[in-house]
Amino acid sequence: AQSVTQLDSHVSVSEGTPVLLRCNYSSSYSPSLFWYVQHPNKGLQLLLKYTSAATLVKGINGFEAEFKKSETSFHLTKPSAHMSDAAEYFCVVRLNYGGSQGNLIFGKGTKLSVKP
Amino acid sequence: NAGVMQNPRHLVRRRGQEARLRCSPMKGHSHVYWYRQLPEEGLKFMVYLQKENIIDESGMPKERFSAEFPKEGPSILRIQQVVRGDSAAYFCASSQTGTGGRGNQPQHFGDGTRLSIL
Repeated sequence: AQSVTQLDSHVSVSEGTPVLLRCNYSSSYSPSLFWYVQHPNKGLQLLLKYTSAATLVKGINGFEAEFKKSETSFHLTKPSAHMSDAAEYFCVVRLNYGGSQGNLIFGKGTKLSVKP
Repeated sequence: NAGVMQNPRHLVRRRGQEARLRCSPMKGHSHVYWYRQLPEEGLKFMVYLQKENIIDESGMPKERFSAEFPKEGPSILRIQQVVRGDSAAYFCASSQTGTGGRGNQPQHFGDGTRLSIL
């Protein structure tokens, strides 16, 4: 069965320092993986996606993520945090084969705080 | 190009009433997905629809919940005889084509409807 585990429920960084949000996945099939960001009382915005092309994926707002099959990880990083990055981040896996095709499976989210 | 539009943004109902949540997909998108987000949790898939068809409703509660996506007009998520446990944020997403198989069309999300049950 497919699942996603976000290892930290809260991460706090200082402005200008690197961001690391960790995600591990479990999938019987070759997965598609996504990171979405949710600002308070807003919907989800797609940051980046991995769909079996390059393992290092660049997204919007300076974020990137690396797909590591051997570690079943898809951690999200950014070299330098900005105050506007404070939000909740969701790691998501999409089923590509099997019964419930197309549905997204969400991690529980990581709340990122950025201190001035 | 307008994004996914959901209305109302906030909906308050008393126990036993009906709640209707509407979702208009992005222009050109014919696939709609509904998700529910409970406090402090990620989104949980409910149902996947194409025009006039329910493709997958494996995440829908067996009773009181229904969804439709008619040929004309928005997709509707309907909750009958609401209970306190239905309080949540309900998100709609749309995609241009189906996202099964090797398709890589991302899902675009609306801002959600926050349902409160008194």
